[in-house]
Amino acid sequence: DIQMTQSPSTLSASVGDSVTITCRASQSISGWLAWFQQHPGKAPKLLIYKASNLQSGVPSRFTGSGSGTEFTLTISSLQPDDFATYYCQQYYSFWTFGQGTKVEIK
Amino acid sequence: QAHLVQSGAEVRKPGASVKVSCKAFGYSFTSYYMHWVRQAPGQGLEWMGMIDPTGGSIDYAQRFQGRVTVTRDTSTDTVYMELSSLRSEDTAVYYCARDRKVRGVFNGMDVWGQGSTVIVSS
Repeated sequence: DIQMTQSPSTLSASVGDSVTITCRASQSISGWLAWFQQHPGKAPKLLIYKASNLQSGVPSRFTGSGSGTEFTLTISSLQPDDFATYYCQQYYSFWTFGQGTKVEIK
Repeated sequence: QAHLVQSGAEVRKPGASVKVSCKAFGYSFTSYYMHWVRQAPGQGLEWMGMIDPTGGSIDYAQRFQGRVTVTRDTSTDTVYMELSSLRSEDTAVYYCARDRKVRGVFNGMDVWGQGSTVIVSS
């Protein structure tokens, strides 16, 4: 099974900050990676697919990059609605999620 | 507007089974695969399985093999997930999510149901 490891587990930031979340795969997954945002009590929301493709309707301040085993999600100029938990997910071989990164208000 | 509506909360005793439904609205049911993902209280997301509504082919996560069954009913645009031999660790919110496969490539779980809470308790 492919394992996905995110860092950090928690990130404290302020509105307007730029933040980066890292996701590492236990083996190469090419570019088969998605990023999701989840608010408490809500279903996850797809932000990025195939490592860097912005899902329709998602603000351009969300940027995904990487390939192989290392990927990043960058949120530029954090907005109040961006404080949430973010998950990476590989779909190279079945589907596996990272453990999540909580972005909290500093 | 595409959306998925799931069945309501369920309470089961250990050893019992539960069947959760997910009904699709606003899109062509057979054009999208359907996943099941669960989230235990305070925990992360866990993929359970997926079905191709067209041909019925199914993949399950290895850890659920033998305990989970995913089916679909194309006459009602509904997918079902049944989990058997329930234990307290199966207490979670269960989500369905659609995914499109274009030219052999998946495009991501872009529409999710609202989640169905399953509580396993004696």
